[in-house]
Amino acid sequence: QLQLQESGPGLVKPSETLSLTCTVSGGSIDNSSYYWGWIRQPPGKGLEWIGTIYYSGSTYYNPSLKSRVTISIDTSKNQFSLKLSSVTAADTAVFYCARRTGGGKFDSWGQGTLVTVSS
Amino acid sequence: DIQMTQSPSTLSASVGDRVTITCRASQTISSWLAWYQQKPGKAPKLLIYKASNLQSGVPSRFSGSGSGTEFTLTISSLQPEDFATYYCQHYNTYLYTFGQGTNLEIK
Repeated sequence: QLQLQESGPGLVKPSETLSLTCTVSGGSIDNSSYYWGWIRQPPGKGLEWIGTIYYSGSTYYNPSLKSRVTISIDTSKNQFSLKLSSVTAADTAVFYCARRTGGGKFDSWGQGTLVTVSS
Repeated sequence: DIQMTQSPSTLSASVGDRVTITCRASQTISSWLAWYQQKPGKAPKLLIYKASNLQSGVPSRFSGSGSGTEFTLTISSLQPEDFATYYCQHYNTYLYTFGQGTNLEIK
């Protein structure tokens, strides 16, 4: 069964770069049928798509975050990663990694990790 | 950009009720719409994809319909485990947009 697990610091200082990794188990990240994405959810608020990556390295970003986001993939480790630069308190959120299948649906999700931006 | 607007924002209902949540797109999106259920402290769970297709393992009391700009998620007979927040999500050329969510609470 596919499992996704987010990892990374739970606390990041303002103006610094948030870095998270998603480790995929139970399936191969270089399966051409899937894309891999990051979605965030500020406390008490709704879901916001951050970006998506294909095993080839092709990336697609939310236009509102594009200038600060980098998503990369390491097929040898079955992992993909998120970097969000110049963070502020508004970037405090639970960050989820997820698998995107045909038709644009996210069918498997990690449990989420809370990242707080604070000095 | 395509905006997704859900209504109502909050819905109060009782076990056994039939409930409907609506998601409207700011422009036509064909059938590229998914619905998710999220419980507190948990990741979203995919319920419906391509507007009306039930995800494997999801109870048949959940159904989706619509195309173009208006979509609905219906729960035919509410069960205690269905009280949660529901989100619609649109996909368009590698971009994804979520609705703001509908909180389904116990009356």
